[in-house]
Amino acid sequence: ELKVEQNPLFLSMQEGKNYTIYCNYSTTSDRLYWYRQDPGKSLESLFVLLSNGAVKQEGRLMASLDTKARLSTLHITAAVHDLSATYFCAVDMGGSRLTFGEGTQLTVNP
Amino acid sequence: DTEVTQTPKHLVMGMTNKKSLKCEQHMGHRAMYWYKQKAKKPPELMFVYSYEKLSINESVPSRFSPECPNSSLLNLHLHALQPEDSALYLCASSPGPRNEKLFFGSGTQLSVL
Repeated sequence: ELKVEQNPLFLSMQEGKNYTIYCNYSTTSDRLYWYRQDPGKSLESLFVLLSNGAVKQEGRLMASLDTKARLSTLHITAAVHDLSATYFCAVDMGGSRLTFGEGTQLTVNP
Repeated sequence: DTEVTQTPKHLVMGMTNKKSLKCEQHMGHRAMYWYKQKAKKPPELMFVYSYEKLSINESVPSRFSPECPNSSLLNLHLHALQPEDSALYLCASSPGPRNEKLFFGSGTQLSVL
């Protein structure tokens, strides 16, 4: 059974600081996704990582994938309040199945 | 049009009621999904339709019955639900069944009394 573990599960940080969210998974996969969810809202696709060594950046967020280590990271640079949300990684198990991590609830304080 | 539209946004039903959730997309996507999300938990896959055929049923109880009338529409028929079925039900679509990028609808918040 595929396990997807995110850490930390809760993250409170100050504006302007940097931090990294980690996503570890237990079986081979070459596709990983990051989503953002605001309270009471749907999921917004942030990044699709399709191969080992993939790195993608959008604004203050940068995601990377190391398939050999079964690890993805979501790096936050100079955090701002608008980034406060829950961030999920999701691993493609094949056959249209995604397994989501538990989510990281991020709060950025002024 | 890059939206997945779900109706209704909120639904309250009794355990003896029959109701349906509706999902629509006009992006030409050929894979559509139903996910269930409990509060402060990740989404859990329920069903996948690929080219209008049910390809995955994640051992979902029969009180949930999916239907894909055409490539743009996905329904979830609900009957004799239990209070523990209360959750946010999310529909999603993708260009093909290999996931790629999932586009999620805004969800239906369901409460079963």
